[in-house]
Parts: sequence; C-alpha cells; structure tokens
Amino acid sequence: NAGVTQTPKFQVLKTGQSMTLQCAQDMNHNSMYWYRQDPGMGLRLIYYSASEGTTDKGEVPNGYNVSRLNKREFSLRLESAAPSQTSVYFCASSDGQGYEKLFFGSGTQLSVL
Amino acid sequence: QKEVEQNSGPLSVPEGAIASLNCTYSDRGSQSFFWYRQYSGKSPELIMSIYSNGDKEDGRFTAQLNKASQYVSLLIRDSQPSDSATYLCAVNVNSGNTPLVFGKGTRLSVIA
Repeated sequence: NAGVTQTPKFQVLKTGQSMTLQCAQDMNHNSMYWYRQDPGMGLRLIYYSASEGTTDKGEVPNGYNVSRLNKREFSLRLESAAPSQTSVYFCASSDGQGYEKLFFGSGTQLSVL
Repeated sequence: QKEVEQNSGPLSVPEGAIASLNCTYSDRGSQSFFWYRQYSGKSPELIMSIYSNGDKEDGRFTAQLNKASQYVSLLIRDSQPSDSATYLCAVNVNSGNTPLVFGKGTRLSVIA
C-alpha cells in the first residue's frame, strides 16, 4: 500500500520556468491538499480539494494552480516560477470527514534560481 | 486568520525526562486537535488526536486539552533520543468546515 505518492522528489528550476508537481493516493480518500513548508513558517496550505471536482484556495495560493484530475490525483502547477517559491511541497490526503487525520506524501524539494 | 501558536524551540531535555510541548489556538469553535511528528527531512506523521477536555494517553505520549483556556499540550514521558523531531500542533478551526491549521512547530532535542 503506497499511500500518498509525490513526484518528483527534487527539482531545480530557473525563474520563469513552469512545472507540475504530481500527487496520487491509493486510500480512496475524498480530500487532497497541497502544503508548502519553509524554515520557521510551518505548513501553509496552498490549495485543497474537498472532493473530486472541487478545488479551493488556501492561505498562500498566489502563483499556483491545481487540478483534481480524478479521485486519486491532485496536481500543483507553477506557471512562472519565482525564487519565493523555493520550498518543500507536501501533498496530503484525508478521508474527508472533517478534514482530519492527514496522510502526507514524502515531499518535493523545489529550488528556483 | 485563525491562529495556532507554538514555541519554536529548540526544547532540549535529557534522556529519560518528560518533554512538555504546548500549543494555543485562537478559534473558540475548534473541535479537534492533533499532534504531528516530523523528523528532519521527512514528512509529518500523526501521533495523537484529542477531541474532549482532559488527558488522552497512548504509550509514552499524553495529549492534554483545555478548551476554556484554549490550549493543547503534548507530554512525552521517558524521552528518548529517537523522539528528537519537530512536533506540529494542528487544529480543526471553523467547526471543521475548513482544513487543519498548523502551528509552526516546536523542535525537540533529547540529549543522551
């Protein structure tokens, strides 16, 4: 049972480049999330999807777009990367009952030069 | 903005001692409270959840909740070097209608 799988694990981009972070879960969870984690800032929610077909902004959505492709997959896209988007990105899922008990992927370390 | 506050640490305790981690939250309507542990370079993992006032024990871990004072704490008894990690407090604000809000985490160091 893989849980939550994120790809890639590491990525280096130049300012202005675009990329998509992929996330898939095999736990049949309804809700999926994208967080970023910066030193001293904790986990901050970028976007979430409460159920298939819905997406909502979190605390720090600017510069990002998301797609809930199906119940399993939730992708995060950076259209024009900026150095301020250098961070560790975590995808997570939950069974959707009150957004509780998150299960996290292993994270993506992204550097934007 | 619903806030969850934690001391960033580091909190250093000797091996075998009790580590006490604290968290306060601003939303009185919060119903559910969680502690996640995050080892360096790894993803967070859930270690405790608590929903009612009082204590909840699970092995060496005890979560304590006081809704009147709006704080939740995590006690780790007989601390081990393997407990060295960052501990994230998470709160289900807005009566559970929005995703969890995380504190910034407290870094715990258990010294052998």
